Amino acid sequence: SQQGEEDPQALSIQEGENATMNCSYKTSINNLQWYRQNSGRGLVHLILIRSNEREKHSGRLRVTLDTSKKSSSLLITASRAADTASYFCATPMYSGGGADGLTFGKGTHLIIQP
Amino acid sequence: DTGVSQDPRHKITKRGQNVTFRCDPISEHNRLYWYRQTLGQGPEFLTYFQNEAQLEKSRLLSDRFSAERPKGSFSTLEIQRTEQGDSAMYLCASSWLGSQETQYFGPGTRLLVL
Repeated sequence: SQQGEEDPQALSIQEGENATMNCSYKTSINNLQWYRQNSGRGLVHLILIRSNEREKHSGRLRVTLDTSKKSSSLLITASRAADTASYFCATPMYSGGGADGLTFGKGTHLIIQP
Repeated sequence: DTGVSQDPRHKITKRGQNVTFRCDPISEHNRLYWYRQTLGQGPEFLTYFQNEAQLEKSRLLSDRFSAERPKGSFSTLEIQRTEQGDSAMYLCASSWLGSQETQYFGPGTRLLVL
């Protein structure tokens, strides 16, 4: 079963606007990752946030993690057409959080309108 | 760094036939993972290897599926007696000792079983 659930399932915004997507998970984790997938292609790692971190930035990306609510958010600022993709949160299959397999949500499909 | 490669990229087969996919991880990556992704879903973990040892197998990996990584480098995933329900994207990923949580994905092999 899939641990993470992204919300919304689909999001369409104008280029230049900010996009926010959320992820909720069920069990305790020691890290959470976000991946991007362009249509029909493999996944690209975006960012990893550990359970002792509350916020992390990478370029135009900002990720937050609230372990008390078991939720995370991904903010993409100043969106570009090239950001059009599906975005997935992923958590380790086991709470140990080592090099385990990952469980993914169904993803948020983001469309940036030019 | 040539990235994770997968071959073939697309495969069409008839029900009942056997298929084999290959994954070449990033060199020096000691862990290799297989996932399956169906339309509109996130990837689902199938199995992973540390070097040549297969350490974990999902319940999704029925006895028709077998994976190998004979020399701890490339890996193969074989599906015997394919069924229409096997139609999916098969993704391979690898990770390295220094940062094992982050997985690097290949472009995937899209399988269509007629």
